[in-house]
Amino acid sequence: ELKVEQNPLFLSMQEGKNYTIYCNYSTTSDRLYWYRQDPGKSLESLFVLLSNGAVKQEGRLMASLDTKARLSTLHITAAVHDLSATYFCAVDEYYQLIWGAGTKLIIKP
Amino acid sequence: NAGVTQTPKFQVLKTGQSMTLQCAQDMNHNSMYWYRQDPGMGLRLIYYSASEGTTDKGEVPNGYNVSRLNKREFSLRLESAAPSQTSVYFCASRGPGLPSGNTIYFGEGSWLTVV
Repeated sequence: ELKVEQNPLFLSMQEGKNYTIYCNYSTTSDRLYWYRQDPGKSLESLFVLLSNGAVKQEGRLMASLDTKARLSTLHITAAVHDLSATYFCAVDEYYQLIWGAGTKLIIKP
Repeated sequence: NAGVTQTPKFQVLKTGQSMTLQCAQDMNHNSMYWYRQDPGMGLRLIYYSASEGTTDKGEVPNGYNVSRLNKREFSLRLESAAPSQTSVYFCASRGPGLPSGNTIYFGEGSWLTVV
């Protein structure tokens, strides 16, 4: 059974700090996705990582994928309040995505 | 471009009542999905349709039925609602072509309460 584990599940941090969210998974999939969800809203695609060593960056967020370690990271640089949200990773299993439980990120001014 | 549209946005049902959640996408996607999201949890797949004319069970299909009416539309039916089905339901689509590597696009969600 494919499992996707995120940690931490909750993170409170100060503006201006750096932090990393981790996503571990249990199969050999080489396709991983990061999504953002604001409270009461739908899910928004952030990154699609399609191969070992893939790195993508958008603003203060950078995602990477290590398929050998079965690990993806979402790094936040110099956090700002607007990045407060819940972040999900999901792993591709053919027609399905298997989702992590999400990391709730609160960034305090 | 509307993307993925689902209705209704909010619904309150009494235990035992039935209802259908409607979903339509205008992106010519082959694959469509129904997920539920419970507080503090990730998404759990209820049913999916890899292409028009096919449907398959996901992780939590019990108590639900689906219909892939055509390429655009994928509906979710609760035949006899139970309080355990209180949740937020998301429809999503993916494509075109092979699903791997394609982004999934989500609807706005349907908040369902069963009392």
